[in-house]
Amino acid sequence: GDSVTQMEGPVTLSEEAFLTINCTYTATGYPSLFWYVQYPGEGLQLLLKATKADDKGSNKGFEATYRKETTSFHLEKGSVQVSDSAVYFCALSASYGGAQKLVFGQGTRLTINP
Amino acid sequence: SQTIHQWPATLVQPVGSPLSLECTVEGTSNPNLYWYRQAAGRGLQLLFYSVGIGQISSEVPQNLSASRPQDRQFILSSKKLLLSDSGFYLCAWSPDLRTEAFFGQGTRLTVV
Repeated sequence: GDSVTQMEGPVTLSEEAFLTINCTYTATGYPSLFWYVQYPGEGLQLLLKATKADDKGSNKGFEATYRKETTSFHLEKGSVQVSDSAVYFCALSASYGGAQKLVFGQGTRLTINP
Repeated sequence: SQTIHQWPATLVQPVGSPLSLECTVEGTSNPNLYWYRQAAGRGLQLLFYSVGIGQISSEVPQNLSASRPQDRQFILSSKKLLLSDSGFYLCAWSPDLRTEAFFGQGTRLTVV
């Protein structure tokens, strides 16, 4: 079945460092791809998305490009801040027998030190 | 605008006790509804989804059940909790998962 594999965490960086969190997927069709973020004690919020190959999603300085040839959707940010500390989830959505579902990766905990 | 409410925020229950978690959505009709569980140190697991009143699909065999008695109400239940039911439960709704899903604040359940 469809699946998402994320870079293992936790990841710890210093403020202003460059961030990459790797995400690859397996899907039979043409899924939409997402990054969700979970701040401590909260639910998930959509960070960015891409709905077709070569689309680039961006938000709050984060970017990710839908790469069909490598089945990847890596999350990047040029200069991280302490406030970026959170758990990041890569996900895909696809249709299964008429119903749509979100399939998540295992999540990557990011800690940014001042 | 649409909002999603989930309660309670935290819950501590003894083994063998029943469970009822409620999720309601406002500002939309006929949403697709989802229950996810996030176990400690693990990712999100889809438990149930519903595309309409009384229509529930289960993703994994388990000690839990779900019901949708009204269009915008989704309830997660158990008759007898197990220790392994501990986790962070998230309700979500979506008009179309190709665009976005909206999550509640979550319920942290600890079974003791």
